[in-house]
Amino acid sequence: DTEVTQTPKHLVMGMTNKKSLKCEQHMGHRAMYWYKQKAKKPPELMFVYSYEKLSINESVPSRFSPECPNSSLLNLHLHALQPEDSALYLCASSQDRVGRKLFFGSGTQLSVL
Amino acid sequence: SQQGEEDPQALSIQEGENATMNCSYKTSINNLQWYRQNSGRGLVHLILIRSNEREKHSGRLRVTLDTSKKSSSLLITASRAADTASYFCATDGKGATNKLIFGTGTLLAVQP
Repeated sequence: DTEVTQTPKHLVMGMTNKKSLKCEQHMGHRAMYWYKQKAKKPPELMFVYSYEKLSINESVPSRFSPECPNSSLLNLHLHALQPEDSALYLCASSQDRVGRKLFFGSGTQLSVL
Repeated sequence: SQQGEEDPQALSIQEGENATMNCSYKTSINNLQWYRQNSGRGLVHLILIRSNEREKHSGRLRVTLDTSKKSSSLLITASRAADTASYFCATDGKGATNKLIFGTGTLLAVQP
């Protein structure tokens, strides 16, 4: 199984809502990532978990809260988002350390109204 | 910033032609990777070239790396309509842990 599965595929939420994005992989990878991608732009790194510990937070606003319950799962909790947070949110995993190739999920297209 | 810049930003060619995309980056790297993204989808890894390698092939793909110029190129030979996608280079800077930073991307359109 070489898949990274993200749910939901699409999400529309109001600025007062709380929602969560989910990501799952069963490749035994020990590093997992959240990227944010605006239209016609490259993916921007948000968070990195390495061996289930948060190792990188790219100064992301606290309205985004990541969680790694176990080595296969990665969540991104969303609260009080702004319309400018509308984007494609991509989860990825890699075997372990930096330099390994990333396996990406198909993403969650998020719209904040 | 470590981010790479790619040129051209957009490229339109006919099926059967070759497509060349270039990537320049700013800091020393451990390796450089190329990814492909179909519209609105996740990225797919194409090829990885290490900093001590100069050229690598994978099927119809050829990647070169010139660390003295901090640049890389991706050549797709005998292109097909299915190659239509955005292509991104990505680098991990020396000393940066688990941090893969993507370049600005090239949008390739292959006309049938």
